[in-house]
Amino acid sequence: EPEVTQTPSHQVTQMGQEVILHCVPISNHLYFYWYRQILGQKVEFLVSFYNNEISEKSEIFDDQFSVERPDGSNFTLKIRSTKLEDSAMYFCASSEAGDSYNEQFFGPGTRLTVL
Amino acid sequence: AQKITQTQPGMFVQEKEAVTLDCTYDTSDPSYGLFWYKQPSSGEMIFLIYQGSYDQQNATEGRYSLNFQKARKSANLVISASQLGDSAMYFCAMRLSYNTDKLIFGTGTRLQVFP
Repeated sequence: EPEVTQTPSHQVTQMGQEVILHCVPISNHLYFYWYRQILGQKVEFLVSFYNNEISEKSEIFDDQFSVERPDGSNFTLKIRSTKLEDSAMYFCASSEAGDSYNEQFFGPGTRLTVL
Repeated sequence: AQKITQTQPGMFVQEKEAVTLDCTYDTSDPSYGLFWYKQPSSGEMIFLIYQGSYDQQNATEGRYSLNFQKARKSANLVISASQLGDSAMYFCAMRLSYNTDKLIFGTGTRLQVFP
């Protein structure tokens, strides 16, 4: 069964450093998403991406964040200058279409720790 | 504002028994989708079941069923014949049909199944 993959599974970085989180969505999916989950809290939407551009972003997704689809398969989240409060699990998700009845398939997550 | 509420931070159930996890939602949009995800201790998000706002019948997927009461704005997850492997966090989520891509999550319910 096709699945969303994410690398690395764990990332430790120093405050102020840039990190790039990698995702490979399911191959025939057109919509891509990033969510984050701070430890013990609920999952929060960051950004959605369709047709090579951001279609929606939350207030969390400020200028320190960017997303890119550098080739036909990868979808990346970059945090330009990490802060302590960026420590969280970051989930990538993808869906076939953007309708409310389309399931978003989640990857296994990347746990980011900022020291 | 759109919101998902899960009032049970933790639930216990004995193996082979049924359990209901509560979820209420708030939206004024007529068209939306409701989802349940399971998050085991390993951290990944696993899709369980979906209910559309216009669906006449309650959704079922194996041992999972969704008790959808539209007038009450509730979408409770029922797990029948609980298994030890059902121990996990369970998140209810909503997605609107218009002008947004994001899933809105509740705070989750931690289910523990004991022998």
